[in-house]
Amino acid sequence: AQKVTQAQTEISVVEKEDVTLDCVYETRDTTYYLFWYKQPPSGELVFLIRRNSFDEQNEISGRYSWNFQKSTSSFNFTITASQVVDSAVYFCALSEETGANNLFFGTGTRLTVIP
Amino acid sequence: KAGVTQTPRYLIKTRGQQVTLSCSPISGHRSVSWYQQTPGQGLQFLFEYFSETQRNKGNFPGRFSGRQFSNSRSEMNVSTLELGDSALYLCASSSPSGTTYEQYFGPGTRLTVT
Repeated sequence: AQKVTQAQTEISVVEKEDVTLDCVYETRDTTYYLFWYKQPPSGELVFLIRRNSFDEQNEISGRYSWNFQKSTSSFNFTITASQVVDSAVYFCALSEETGANNLFFGTGTRLTVIP
Repeated sequence: KAGVTQTPRYLIKTRGQQVTLSCSPISGHRSVSWYQQTPGQGLQFLFEYFSETQRNKGNFPGRFSGRQFSNSRSEMNVSTLELGDSALYLCASSSPSGTTYEQYFGPGTRLTVT
């Protein structure tokens, strides 16, 4: 069975600090997809990134970067030079079935950026 | 391009009643998924519809049902409401190809059962 663990329940950082959000997953499938979503106080989940299990290349998008390591079943998310607008709950999610859109979410990490 | 819309945004119902929530996906998207978010259980997958057919179903009782129309709009219904059904219900649509793409979520319907 699949499992996504986000061990960090809450993190607080001071503005401009870097912060890494951890995500560890479990799956028996060799083909799977990993996602990160942001949920600001408004409640709407905002898609950040999708990565399939065959693509271990790290990705950088502006101040955001993702480190995917199959050897440790981790898909960590780093925000560089954090800003107050980054304050939100961040969810890591896993989908095991190609062609299906049922995401299994972690419990989320609440990030607070203090000005 | 308009995003995913959900109606109503807020709803208050009494135990035992039934409720219908609506979701309009992004134009051209054929897959619609529903999720329930509660403080205790987090985000849980309810079901997915693709081209008017239920393609996947989560582990929820039969009181939770859904359907999708030919224009890809979807509704979910909860019958015989229980206090534990109080939650934020999120709808998401994804790309027209139907493969595992990023899902775009709506703002949700917050249901309160009293």
